[in-house]
Amino acid sequence: AQSVAQPEDQVNVAEGNPLTVKCTYSVSGNPYLFWYVQYPNRGLQFLLKYITGDNLVKGSYGFEAEFNKSQTSFHLKKPSALVSDSALYFCAVSGGPSSGSARQLTFGSGTQLTVLP
Amino acid sequence: NAGVTQTPKFQVLKTGQSMTLQCAQDMNHEYMSWYRQDPGMGLRLIHYSVGAGITDQGEVPNGYNVSRSTTEDFPLRLLSAAPSQTSVYFCASSYSSGRAGELFFGEGSRLTVL
Repeated sequence: AQSVAQPEDQVNVAEGNPLTVKCTYSVSGNPYLFWYVQYPNRGLQFLLKYITGDNLVKGSYGFEAEFNKSQTSFHLKKPSALVSDSALYFCAVSGGPSSGSARQLTFGSGTQLTVLP
Repeated sequence: NAGVTQTPKFQVLKTGQSMTLQCAQDMNHEYMSWYRQDPGMGLRLIHYSVGAGITDQGEVPNGYNVSRSTTEDFPLRLLSAAPSQTSVYFCASSYSSGRAGELFFGEGSRLTVL
């Protein structure tokens, strides 16, 4: 079974400071890893994904994430936070194509990011 | 483009009533899925479909039925509503390959069961 842990329910950061939202995962074989963002009363929006290759993945709105296989982590980062980044962030994992579940995403419980002006 | 459209946005049911949540996508995606979102629990997969005529169970399928008669539509049926089914439901779709996992979500349907 695959699983995702987001250890922080809430992250607060001052505008202009770097931000990190943590995620660790468990999956058989090579993982597909994703970050999604949810604004109030909206559906989730895809931010970025790691499939293979470079451990640093760049995505939408200046976000990036670093894949660390030895620590089974996929932390979301941004060098300089904006107030408009305030939202609920979800990490997700799926197995690779050989697992037969490449599109069955398992989501973490979410981390509420608040960027303070 | 409309993307993924869910109806209704809000619904209140009494215990034991049945209803259908509608989901339609206009992106010709083969993969469609239903999730429920509960506070502190993230999103949990209810049912999914990899193409017309093909459906399968996710993590929490009990109490729900789905069908996929066309590529565009993937309705979710609640057979006999229970208070435990009070939740926000999201429909999501994606391409069949290449960009697998990049889900496009609808705006959600908020269901309250009394």
